[in-house]
This record gives sequence, C-alpha cells and structure tokens, in this order.
Amino acid sequence: DTEVTQTPKHLVMGMTNKKSLKCEQHMGHRAMYWYKQKAKKPPELMFVYSYEKLSINESVPSRFSPECPNSSLLNLHLHALQPEDSALYLCASSQDVSLAGTGELFFGEGSRLTVL
Amino acid sequence: SQQGEEDPQALSIQEGENATMNCSYKTSINNLQWYRQNSGRGLVHLILIRSNEREKHSGRLRVTLDTSKKSSSLLITASRAADTASYFCASNGGGNKLTFGTGTQLKVEL
Repeated sequence: DTEVTQTPKHLVMGMTNKKSLKCEQHMGHRAMYWYKQKAKKPPELMFVYSYEKLSINESVPSRFSPECPNSSLLNLHLHALQPEDSALYLCASSQDVSLAGTGELFFGEGSRLTVL
Repeated sequence: SQQGEEDPQALSIQEGENATMNCSYKTSINNLQWYRQNSGRGLVHLILIRSNEREKHSGRLRVTLDTSKKSSSLLITASRAADTASYFCASNGGGNKLTFGTGTQLKVEL
C-alpha cells in the first residue's frame, strides 16, 4: 500500500468551479511534488515544495495554485480550469535533495480530474 | 523538452521470457531511476542507479547505465503476467527535478 494518500480519487468539475486536491504523507519527507499525467503519456512535473517552500514551478498556469500548509500536507487548488486540464494528478514525496540529487519518489494513487 | 525517449514504446512477450527496455536522456545526470505504473495507478519506484555506477541488480531487475551515450536499459528476467505495466525511466540532473521518459508499455502473456 502507498504511504502517500491522495483525495479525492475522482473529481468532476465545471469550468467555473473551485475545487482542491489533497495529498498527505507521514514518512517525514521534506520534499513534495505535483505531477500531471495525460493518458499514455509520462508524468509531467508541475510543482516542487522543499521544506514547505515552493522551489520549482514549471511555468504552470495560475489556475493551478499549490499550497503546503505543513510538512505532511500538500494541496492543489483548482479554479477556472479548461477541459484540456483533465488528467491524472499525482502527488509524490521524497527525502529532500542531497548532493547526489533527489532519491526515490513515493507516489500516491492519483486524483483523476475531469473538467466539463 | 528535457523529456527522455524510451524504446520500444510497446513490448509484448510470453511469460518466462526476458524483457529489455531502453532509455535515452538529454542532460548530464546525478542519478537515473526506473518506475513502474499499473494502468491508472500511481508510480512505484523500482531501482536507482547513480551516475558513477554502471550496473545494478535488484531481484529479477538489472539496470545498466552508459553516461557517455546518455542511455540506460532495464532488463526484467523470467517475466510474469504480473509484470504487465508501463515502465518509465526518470533522470535527475541534480536538485529535486525528476524528468520522466516517454515510457514502455509491457504486456506479458500467459
């Protein structure tokens, strides 16, 4: 069983809705990630938080707003999304980066988002 | 795009056979990782190989790394139907950024 928990598993929303995706880990990891994955494509990095501070934003549109309230929680706030934003959103965590770069990422099962 | 390429895109083999997947990446790396994803599920880490390593084993998995060619391969020996999944390589050039390759869809038939 994964030690990264994502909720909800499925979300359907209209283009005018505001919703949030939530992610929780209790492994003491200090780096947390949001990835977006379209069908039959690899995961694409969106955001990285390191020690609760945003360290990487891969030029993601502002309709996606990440938040890291504490070291165990990561949220992704969604507002005014487009149908092409429909995808599997994956949260991951890792021990923070060392001189050898980042190590193993632990992924949640994902939140499947459909935008109507 | 910094995304790496994997080949083949799809691979279908019989149970008991070996499966080999190849990955090429674009920039210098600190490490390269392989992940597995069952359909519609999260990714599971399989193995990590550092830039100063050439080969690594874990159970039925064997990974090689050739930094001069910017390439890696994953060999799964004695495959099982349960190995059916998508396999992704992921390169780490330092920091927290992990960039995934295009993936290989493996199907192992009984």
